[in-house]
Amino acid sequence: KNQVEQSPQSLIILEGKNCTLQCNYTVSPFSNLRWYKQDTGRGPVSLTIMTFSENTKSNGRYTATLDADTKQSSLHITASQLSDSASYICVVSPSSGTYKYIFGTGTRLKVLA
Amino acid sequence: DVKVTQSSRYLVKRTGEKVFLECVQDMDHENMFWYRQDPGLGLRLIYFSYDVKMKEKGDIPEGYSVSREKKERFSLILESASTNQTSMYLCASSLSSLGSIAKNIQYFGAGTRLSVL
Repeated sequence: KNQVEQSPQSLIILEGKNCTLQCNYTVSPFSNLRWYKQDTGRGPVSLTIMTFSENTKSNGRYTATLDADTKQSSLHITASQLSDSASYICVVSPSSGTYKYIFGTGTRLKVLA
Repeated sequence: DVKVTQSSRYLVKRTGEKVFLECVQDMDHENMFWYRQDPGLGLRLIYFSYDVKMKEKGDIPEGYSVSREKKERFSLILESASTNQTSMYLCASSLSSLGSIAKNIQYFGAGTRLSVL
C-alpha cells in the first residue's frame, strides 16, 4: 500500500535553532517528492519539489534531501524563526502525469521566542 | 502569483442541506482538485478535474459531486450534507499533469471550514 509517514508528529524548538523533519515513503513507482508548509487556517504552500534523480533542494532557510534508495526524505530548517511555526507536509507523486498524490499527515512545528 | 480563491472561509449548515463550495483560480490552470483535511489524516482527494466538464473520482467521492463549467471555476457540491462531512475543504489547481515537474506544482486556496450540525 502506498504510504507516506512523517516524524515527529509535533516538535517544539527555540527561535534560532535548527531542526530536521523526516519523511519515509513506501510509494512505487516514484516520480517526485514535495514538501509543503501549511500555516494554521491556511492552505499548503509549496517549499520544494524533487525528482528521483535529485538528492537536495534548497529554498532559503529550508533544505530538503532525498534518498530514493532508502525512500527517505528530510526537511532541514536553519536558524528557525517564529514564522516557521506551521505544519510541514510531505507529498509523494507515484508517477509523472498522475493526479493521485500521496500526502503525509504532517509535522506540526512550534517555534518559541 | 497564482491565486486560488475559495468563496467562504467558514460555513455552518444543517444536516440534509445542499451545500455548494466554490473555488476560482486566476492562472488558466488545466487541473483543479478538491480535498478534505481531517485531524490525523493526510489530505484526501475527493475529485479532480483536468478540463472543463471533465472530472475524475478521487479516493473519497461518496456523498459529493463536482461541476466545472468554466476553466477557472470548480465547484464541490454536497447533495445532502451529513455530520461526517464536517471538515476542512481545500481546493487546489496546477498548470498541467504533463511536462516538467514545475507544471504540476499545486497551488492551494485558504480552505473552507464546514460544520454540519
